[in-house]
Amino acid sequence: TQLLEQSPQFLSIQEGENLTVYCNSSSVFSSLQWYRQEPGEGPVLLVTVVTGGEVKKLKRLTFQFGDARKDSSLHITAAQPGDTGLYLCAGDQGGSEKLVFGKGTKLTVNP
Amino acid sequence: SQTIHQWPATLVQPVGSPLSLECTVEGTSNPNLYWYRQAAGRGLQLLFYSVGIGQISSEVPQNLSASRPQDRQFILSSKKLLLSDSGFYLCAWSWTYNEQFFGPGTRLTVL
Repeated sequence: TQLLEQSPQFLSIQEGENLTVYCNSSSVFSSLQWYRQEPGEGPVLLVTVVTGGEVKKLKRLTFQFGDARKDSSLHITAAQPGDTGLYLCAGDQGGSEKLVFGKGTKLTVNP
Repeated sequence: SQTIHQWPATLVQPVGSPLSLECTVEGTSNPNLYWYRQAAGRGLQLLFYSVGIGQISSEVPQNLSASRPQDRQFILSSKKLLLSDSGFYLCAWSWTYNEQFFGPGTRLTVL
């Protein structure tokens, strides 16, 4: 059983479109992180959300943590080819030295 | 600033041969260290983590082992590689458990 479910698994859009990807769980997390990974490279941390209902913005990317701290979303406005990559969410359940990772959403932005 | 190194970047090994992958972190002390394996550009599987020198926690029983001989050095080893050991191996460090910073990865192909 996957603790963090990410949807969609694959997303292919045209440059300039908006999109939202989701990270859902039935478990509560102390915090959630979003990472972006490009082919052949390690994931890069984008943001950490820790408070239920929290919204963080990073240029054209908007991250939201659910009120119950069980889910999160990533919205990209006016997507660009440079946004292409694998978006991974990861959760910290508190009291553990480990993160739980979702399987990721593979985003392709076509010029 | 902190930097994490992994080597080699790519490796092709025959079945049954030994393995040694190395990860070092610069610019920090007493980090938590992690080894992950990623198959087919998808989710990350945690293999081992360490919260201090000589302290190793194993997540998945398999023919791999890990060691932490120095504070900022983490080594992944195998005595005899299997075909199923092929994958993308990622090392990560963190201070706070919930924010991890990844190295560039090692692509291992077992033939």
